[in-house]
Amino acid sequence: EAGVAQSPRYKIIEKRQSVAFWCNPISGHATLYWYQQILGQGPKLLIQFQNNGVVDDSQLPKDRFSAERLKGVDSTLKIQPAKLEDSAVYLCASSLERVGAYEQYFGPGTRLTVT
Amino acid sequence: QKEVEQDPGPLSVPEGAIVSLNCTYSNSAFQYFMWYRQYSRKGPELLMYTYSSGNKEDGRFTAQVDKSSKYISLFIRDSQPSDSATYLCAMSAFDTGNQFYFGTGTSLTVIP
Repeated sequence: EAGVAQSPRYKIIEKRQSVAFWCNPISGHATLYWYQQILGQGPKLLIQFQNNGVVDDSQLPKDRFSAERLKGVDSTLKIQPAKLEDSAVYLCASSLERVGAYEQYFGPGTRLTVT
Repeated sequence: QKEVEQDPGPLSVPEGAIVSLNCTYSNSAFQYFMWYRQYSRKGPELLMYTYSSGNKEDGRFTAQVDKSSKYISLFIRDSQPSDSATYLCAMSAFDTGNQFYFGTGTSLTVIP
């Protein structure tokens, strides 16, 4: 079974530029999550999708971050404009269902550096 | 107060030692308790999960949950250099939409 795929793996941009990350979840997984992991901290949920719809985006900084999941499969996370404090690893995860979804499978992450 | 507290370490032990990793939490509604292992520059991978209180064993790994104390532990027996990684605890509850709350992670190094 193929795992969660993410690209790019690394990205360096200057502040005020825009950037986009892509995620392909495990086939058949209805729920997709984007997390932000700052160095030395645990992952923090940014947004959760159930199929095409947003379940929870309460911690997404909506003035600069946006995400979409077209056709209930792939997802993109965009930051525009980026700030220095956005430097982090952006992790995508997926799970079969939302209820009782203790098994979240993570991708390798995209390491973003904002200079 | 953070939802989940975890000592970041770092923790360094000799090969073969028993390792104890711990987390405390504040939300009594948490029902699912997970341990993830994260190697450097990789995504977290699920090691074990426990529902409600009790113990669960899987090979060299044992997870314990004490809901009365709001305290969870992961024990690693006969630790190996390949166990060197960051260990993250995570918790969720139905009434928080099954959102995962992660600890900060404990960095473990097993010295050959």
